[in-house]
Amino acid sequence: GNSVTQMEGPVTLSEEAFLTINCTYTATGYPSLFWYVQYPGEGLQLLLKATKADDKGSNKGFEATYRKETTSFHLEKGSVQVSDSAVYFCALSDQGGAQKLVFGQGTRLTINP
Amino acid sequence: NAGVTQTPKFRVLKTGQSMTLLCAQDMNHEYMYWYRQDPGMGLRLIHYSVGEGTTAKGEVPDGYNVSRLKKQNFLLGLESAAPSQTSVYFCASSRAYNEQFFGPGTRLTVL
Repeated sequence: GNSVTQMEGPVTLSEEAFLTINCTYTATGYPSLFWYVQYPGEGLQLLLKATKADDKGSNKGFEATYRKETTSFHLEKGSVQVSDSAVYFCALSDQGGAQKLVFGQGTRLTINP
Repeated sequence: NAGVTQTPKFRVLKTGQSMTLLCAQDMNHEYMYWYRQDPGMGLRLIHYSVGEGTTAKGEVPDGYNVSRLKKQNFLLGLESAAPSQTSVYFCASSRAYNEQFFGPGTRLTVL
């Protein structure tokens, strides 16, 4: 079945550091790929997505590129802020109308001033 | 526009008790979902619905039942709670082929 593996946390960085959170997937067919973010005490919010190979999703300075050859969707940001502290989830879905999401285990990110 | 709301926010049950979690959305979305979130495991899909009156099983449906009598509501029931059902439960809704919007979650503890 489909699965998502992302780098284990927690990850602690200083403000303005470069961020990479690795995500790889196993899936049949051509899944859509997502990054969701969960701020403390809140539900998940979609951060960015990509629906086909070589697509780049971007939002709020975060980027991720759908790499079919390496089955990866790594999240990057060039200069993190304290407000980026959250838990980040990589996820995939099949191409059906009901996007049944399969999530990675989440990576907790803490940014120190 | 409240988005997706969940009731209650917290609940403590004893083993064997039953309860219903309510999810409501005011975005006229066709699709609704229930997930559980456990430490180190991300979110896992319990059940979902593609429209009023329809439900389907997700990845971890055992021990749960759902109903979608009205388009805006999706109920998750635990008939006989077990400690293994201690978790944070999230509801989500979406249009077809679109992003899911999540509620704030319900933290359930089963003693």
